[in-house]
Amino acid sequence: AQSVTQPDIHITVSEGASLELRCNYSYGATPYLFWYVQSPGQGLQLLLKYFSGDTLVQGIKGFEAEFKRSQSSFNLRKPSVHWSDAAEYFCAVGGSSNTGKLIFGQGTTLQVKP
Amino acid sequence: DAGITQSPRHKVTETGTPVTLRCHQTENHRYMYWYRQDPGHGLRLIHYSYGVKDTDKGEVSDGYSVSRSKTEDFLLTLESATSSQTSVYFCAISDERINYEQYFGPGTRLTVT
Repeated sequence: AQSVTQPDIHITVSEGASLELRCNYSYGATPYLFWYVQSPGQGLQLLLKYFSGDTLVQGIKGFEAEFKRSQSSFNLRKPSVHWSDAAEYFCAVGGSSNTGKLIFGQGTTLQVKP
Repeated sequence: DAGITQSPRHKVTETGTPVTLRCHQTENHRYMYWYRQDPGHGLRLIHYSYGVKDTDKGEVSDGYSVSRSKTEDFLLTLESATSSQTSVYFCAISDERINYEQYFGPGTRLTVT
């Protein structure tokens, strides 16, 4: 069955420290991979996406993610976290079907310490 | 930001009453989706639409129905609301021409008492 796992429910990092949020997926076909961010009380905003090509993708707000097919992973990284990055982050996977359906992970809540 | 609005933004209703949530888009995207968001579950797909009058079930469709009579509107109905349907509901849209990237509305917080 198709699934997405975000192993870390909650992560706390100090402002200025580096960040890596983990995402593992199970998907039979070539996946489309996404990271979304949700600030408190807000909808989801697309951070970045991977469809094909270069496995290191750049997104908004200084985020990047690397697709590793051999590890079925799509981890999100940022070299230096800002207090405004505190939010919930969701990894999602979909395929090139004609429905565009996505499967979401459970989410990781990021807390940033001053 | 994609032109997606949801109404109402907040609603409190009683068990057993019908409730309809509306999603409206101005992007002319073909695909529309309804999700619910609950702690520990991420987002789960309720129903989706791939065109006017074309809809299908998602993973948590029991107790929900949808309708899409126009490209821009996608309605979610809780036929007889239950406390387990207390949740935050998000609408999303996508277009196959941009690889089905989904864009989300602001959400509706529904409380069933």
